[in-house]
Amino acid sequence: GNSVTQMEGPVTLSEEAFLTINCTYTATGYPSLFWYVQYPGEGLQLLLKATKADDKGSNKGFEATYRKETTSFHLEKGSVQVSDSAVYFCARGSYGGSQGNLIFGKGTKLSVKP
Amino acid sequence: SQTIHQWPATLVQPVGSPLSLECTVEGTSNPNLYWYRQAAGRGLQLLFYSVGIGQISSEVPQNLSASRPQDRQFILSSKKLLLSDSGFYLCAGDRSNTEAFFGQGTRLTVV
Repeated sequence: GNSVTQMEGPVTLSEEAFLTINCTYTATGYPSLFWYVQYPGEGLQLLLKATKADDKGSNKGFEATYRKETTSFHLEKGSVQVSDSAVYFCARGSYGGSQGNLIFGKGTKLSVKP
Repeated sequence: SQTIHQWPATLVQPVGSPLSLECTVEGTSNPNLYWYRQAAGRGLQLLFYSVGIGQISSEVPQNLSASRPQDRQFILSSKKLLLSDSGFYLCAGDRSNTEAFFGQGTRLTVV
C-alpha cells in the first residue's frame, strides 16, 4: 500500500534536548519525501525534503536522510528551542502527482519547555 | 509569493446543517488546488483536487463535494453534515514543478 507512519505524539522536551521524530513509508518505488511544520495559528510550511535515496534534507537545524533500505525519513535536531514547538508532518509524494498531491502521516505535536 | 487564505479557523455546526468552506489563492494563477481532511487519529487524507476551473477529481467517496467557480477559488461543501465529517480541513495548492503551499486549516466540529 501507500502510507506514511510517524511516531505518535505529543512529544515534550526541554530546551536544548535532542529531537528525533520517526517516520517510515511504504512505496513500490522511490517517492519524494517531505517534512512539513505547522506553527500555532499558521499554515503548513515545508521544512525540508529529499527527492532520492541517500539525500539529506536540512533546514533550521533540522535534518532527515532518505533511507531506502529501511524506508525511513526520520527527523532530527541536535538542540531544540522553544520556538520549535509545532506540529510536524511527514509526507511522501504520490506517483504521477504534482507537488500538492501528498500522502501524510498523522502528525506529531512537539512542545519544547524552557 | 503564493498564499492561501482559508477561513474560518474553527467552526461548530449541528448535524444536518449545510457546510461551505472557501479558500482563495493569491500570488499565482492557474494553480492546482487540493482539499485535505484529517479525522481524529488519522493522517491528512486527500479529498478533492482540481487542475482548473470547473474541474474536480474526488479521491474518496463521501458526504462532501467541491467546486472551483474561479481560477483562485476552491470551495468545499456539504448539504447535510454528519458527525463523521468532523475534522481538520486543509486547502493546498501548487504550480507545475513548484512546491506546495497551504492554508491555515479549518477545524470543524459537528455536534
